[in-house]
Amino acid sequence: DGGITQSPKYLFRKEGQNVTLSCEQNLNHDAMYWYRQDPGQGLRLIYYSQIVNDFQKGDIAEGYSVSREKKESFPLTVTSAQKNPTAFYLCASSIDRVGANVLTFGAGSRLTVL
Amino acid sequence: DQQVKQNSPSLSVQEGRISILNCDYTNSMFDYFLWYKKYPAEGPTFLISISSIKDKNEDGRFTVFLNKSAKHLSLHIVPSQPGDSAVYFCAASAGGTSYGKLTFGQGTILTVHP
Repeated sequence: DGGITQSPKYLFRKEGQNVTLSCEQNLNHDAMYWYRQDPGQGLRLIYYSQIVNDFQKGDIAEGYSVSREKKESFPLTVTSAQKNPTAFYLCASSIDRVGANVLTFGAGSRLTVL
Repeated sequence: DQQVKQNSPSLSVQEGRISILNCDYTNSMFDYFLWYKKYPAEGPTFLISISSIKDKNEDGRFTVFLNKSAKHLSLHIVPSQPGDSAVYFCAASAGGTSYGKLTFGQGTILTVHP
């Protein structure tokens, strides 16, 4: 059963700590994305990767880092430099070709900074 | 700069009636539009899409209309059912090599009353 697995579902962090959110997909999709959702706002793109070992900044990349060492995996690290990290984080993937605009999303990870 | 806007934060309709959700965009480079449905604490799921070469696309109870001159799209749900109660996001893609990068609106909370 193909899909995207995000973990953990809930995460609490003290100020000043880095945390890493996991995202794994078994859809054989080339491209992967990280979005952030805040109350009353749409999803905003943090980082995306269209191919292994390559990734691009999205609209709100400051304070975040990613890696893409394997096609199936795209972990997101929320660093202490992110000023307001409390949010709902969504990972997504898609086939990377013209016309393939539909993203498949994971169930999300809720990060709360204490 | 909000390139995709959903100006109605919420919409309430009676079961069996039509639900109309609206979305406006400003970027004339957008050439593909999507609607996603999202339940609390879950990832968005793809609902329906439309290419800029069309002005209407139907899928069962869901129809999306695109008015390029007005830079406006709408999602019609007929008939509305209580299970349709969710947050609806419209999203847009600018094509080219950024076909997988979506810009989302703020979302509209739809409540369908039995």
